[in-house]
Amino acid sequence: EDQVTQSPEALRLQEGESSSLNCSYTVSGLRGLFWYRQDPGKGPEFLFTLYSAGEEKEKERLKATLTKKESFLHITAPKPEDSATYLCAVPPVLNDMRFGAGTRLTVKP
Amino acid sequence: GAVVSQHPSWVICKSGTSVKIECRSLDFQATTMFWYRQFPKQSLMLMATSNEGSKATYEQGVEKDKFLINHASLTLSTLTVTSAHPEDSSFYICSASGQYSNQPQHFGDGTRLSIL
Repeated sequence: EDQVTQSPEALRLQEGESSSLNCSYTVSGLRGLFWYRQDPGKGPEFLFTLYSAGEEKEKERLKATLTKKESFLHITAPKPEDSATYLCAVPPVLNDMRFGAGTRLTVKP
Repeated sequence: GAVVSQHPSWVICKSGTSVKIECRSLDFQATTMFWYRQFPKQSLMLMATSNEGSKATYEQGVEKDKFLINHASLTLSTLTVTSAHPEDSSFYICSASGQYSNQPQHFGDGTRLSIL
């Protein structure tokens, strides 16, 4: 069965303290892995798409990487405004997106 | 680009009334639209998938007669919660994507539904 597992469930960092979020997936034929950011009371905001192992994408303090079994979202020198829930998702069949449970990131000043 | 607008953002109504939520893709043609429900501190739960001009496909356990979905055009889908009750109170989010399944979904900002 197609599965997406994110860890840790919650992460608290001090401002400037770099770290990584993990997304492990099991799908029969990866057709893309997506990262989203969700702020409280808002819909998810699209961040990145990764299509093949070895691919990397960057946006400001965020960098997403992909292997054959997992993806990492690296956060370099985070700021309090980076606090949010980060979701990863994969489309196992057609448009049926599978979302992970998310990692709630809190960055303290 | 890829903006999805969802209205209303917050609804409070009495038990037994029906509530309609609109989801519009403003700058692209949304071949497929999705409706999700989200409980506090939980991830998104897919309710149904709709393709323009076709009947929606509902996930197991989602009542078709309770949650009516219409996707009449490539830019508009609506979710109507019929005869809403307090247990229907939740955060409902729509998303839209293009023609290909390996394209990301773009989300609206959600609708907070509170049934008194």
